[in-house]
Amino acid sequence: QQQVKQSPQSLIVQKGGISIINCAYENTAFDYFPWYQQFPGKGPALLIAIRPDVSEKKEGRFTISFNKSAKQFSLHIMDSQPGDSATYFCAATLGTDGLTFGKGTHLIIQP
Amino acid sequence: ETGVTQTPRHLVMGMTNKKSLKCEQHLGHNAMYWYKQSAKKPLELMFVYSLEERVENNSVPSRFSPECPNSSHLFLHLHTLQPEDSALYLCASSLRSQFNEKLFFGSGTQLSVL
Repeated sequence: QQQVKQSPQSLIVQKGGISIINCAYENTAFDYFPWYQQFPGKGPALLIAIRPDVSEKKEGRFTISFNKSAKQFSLHIMDSQPGDSATYFCAATLGTDGLTFGKGTHLIIQP
Repeated sequence: ETGVTQTPRHLVMGMTNKKSLKCEQHLGHNAMYWYKQSAKKPLELMFVYSLEERVENNSVPSRFSPECPNSSHLFLHLHTLQPEDSALYLCASSLRSQFNEKLFFGSGTQLSVL
């Protein structure tokens, strides 16, 4: 069964710190790995995504690190801010199949 | 706003009721999706429409019936639901060229089945 395992389930980080969320996948055929951010009362919104031909992608304070051999990828949020407090979902897809999501990480940034 | 509007935002229904969820997108997309979001579980894909043709039905019970009359509108018809169907139902859309990749989600309909 295709799965994406996400950890931790919840995370508390001080303002200005680095938030790190990890995901592991099983299906080596996955070719697209997005991260979605969801605020209360809203639907998920695409934050950043990566393909397996690169090991890192950075957009502003958000970075995806990708380790193909370990079948793992992670989201790093630098200089974390209270406005980053949200639930984050990793996902993976083959493109023709639907997105397989992780269970989510509830991130709280303390001022 | 994401350009994907879902109505109603909240819905309470009995197990014998029939109701419909509506989704409308103003982004010029040509693929639309229904996802189910339950507490402590990953988002679950229910249905996918591409160019108004259903391309995926993810083993969803027949008490859920989707309808896509055009590329801008998507419905989810509900009948004889069970309490375990209580969840947030999310609609999403994308360009067909970004199929299953860059999805734009609505805010969802929070469904409670009594």
